[in-house]
Amino acid sequence: GAVVSQHPSRVICKSGTSVKIECRSLDFQATTMFWYRQFPKQSLMLMATSNEGSKATYEQGVEKDKFLINHASLTLSTLTVTSAHPEDSSFYICSPDRAGGDTQYFGPGTRLTVL
Amino acid sequence: GDSVTQMEGPVTLSEEAFLTINCTYTATGYPSLFWYVQYPGEGLQLLLKATKADDKGSNKGFEATYRKETTSFHLEKGSVQVSDSAVYFCALRNYGQNFVFGPGTRLSVLP
Repeated sequence: GAVVSQHPSRVICKSGTSVKIECRSLDFQATTMFWYRQFPKQSLMLMATSNEGSKATYEQGVEKDKFLINHASLTLSTLTVTSAHPEDSSFYICSPDRAGGDTQYFGPGTRLTVL
Repeated sequence: GDSVTQMEGPVTLSEEAFLTINCTYTATGYPSLFWYVQYPGEGLQLLLKATKADDKGSNKGFEATYRKETTSFHLEKGSVQVSDSAVYFCALRNYGQNFVFGPGTRLSVLP
């Protein structure tokens, strides 16, 4: 069964609004959470890495004030896209990291469409 | 830095054809190697992996062998099905570091 869930799976919003995406690790505690975005027909691009209870580390070119990440517990992390614009439309995928494991599990993804 | 290169797609095959998707990598140390599959509208699923040289990962009829001498991890399947149509990502990971993904190869299998 699924070990990672994301909610919502799809969201359509108006430009200027904020959208929160939840990612839950169902079967294990994730001390680290990776957030990726994927543009159509492209590979995954790492946006940020967060550790439970501390601030996220953002990749170069990713605006930390626009993509707010909260990793308040070992089983839940959220990504909030603030003041969304059409260019933020993408497929967002979370990936909790199990300590000591080398296999990475991915959430099913959230497709965000900003009108 | 570490990188992964995959053959460009899309790859279009007839059902029951033989599949090869090439993957080569550049990395320091001794990374683990992975193939992930992404079906339309879904997230990535682990297809197979290999953690050291000469290891062979296999799953659902797919195979890939970790070749350190050629820094390759080519994906093969003897007889593809329509249901194998998806995007396939080769990836590597060194211990304690982030995953590095290839650009993905789209496979279309025609009945």
